[in-house]
Amino acid sequence: AQTVTQSQPEMSVQEAETVTLSCTYDTSESNYYLFWYKQPPSRQMILVIRQEAYKQQNATENRFSVNFQKAAKSFSLKISDSQLGDTAMYFCAYSGSARQLTFGSGTQLTVLP
Amino acid sequence: KAGVTQTPRYLIKTRGQQVTLSCSPISGHRSVSWYQQTPGQGLQFLFEYFSETQRNKGNFPGRFSGRQFSNSRSEMNVSTLELGDSALYLCASSLSASGTKETQYFGPGTRLLVL
Repeated sequence: AQTVTQSQPEMSVQEAETVTLSCTYDTSESNYYLFWYKQPPSRQMILVIRQEAYKQQNATENRFSVNFQKAAKSFSLKISDSQLGDTAMYFCAYSGSARQLTFGSGTQLTVLP
Repeated sequence: KAGVTQTPRYLIKTRGQQVTLSCSPISGHRSVSWYQQTPGQGLQFLFEYFSETQRNKGNFPGRFSGRQFSNSRSEMNVSTLELGDSALYLCASSLSASGTKETQYFGPGTRLLVL
């Protein structure tokens, strides 16, 4: 079974600074997808970014980028120029052949003014 | 395009009752998945439906069931409610179940409180 681990339960960052959230996963599959979702206080789960395992190039979406290290099974999220609206719980998630999402335990990110 | 919608948004039930939650996927999406979110267990997969067929099921007791209609709308039912069923139930839709490439988009969730 696949597992996803987020070792940072809470993090904080000053507005306009950069922060990196860590995620590691375990799988024996070769074809899979990795995602970062954010869940603000409204509890709506919002897709931030996704990475296809067979692509070596790291995905980027505006201020959000990932560092995907396939051999190390590591998938970290970097948020640049942090904004107050980035305050949320961030979940790393894995999707493989079973199509279901396996989530990490989440990292609560607080952006400080 | 309208996003995933879930009804009701909030629900209070008592132990032993049953409850039905509804999810309408994004137009054109044919796969619907359900997840349970609790503070203790985090986010856990319940089941996935595609073309009115359950394609995958998580590790939940038989009290949890679901179905999908021909218009891709889905319902999940929980019978004989227990206190531990109190949770946020999230529905997610994707275009198809053709492989791992489909991204799942989530609804706002239904908060269920069992007293």
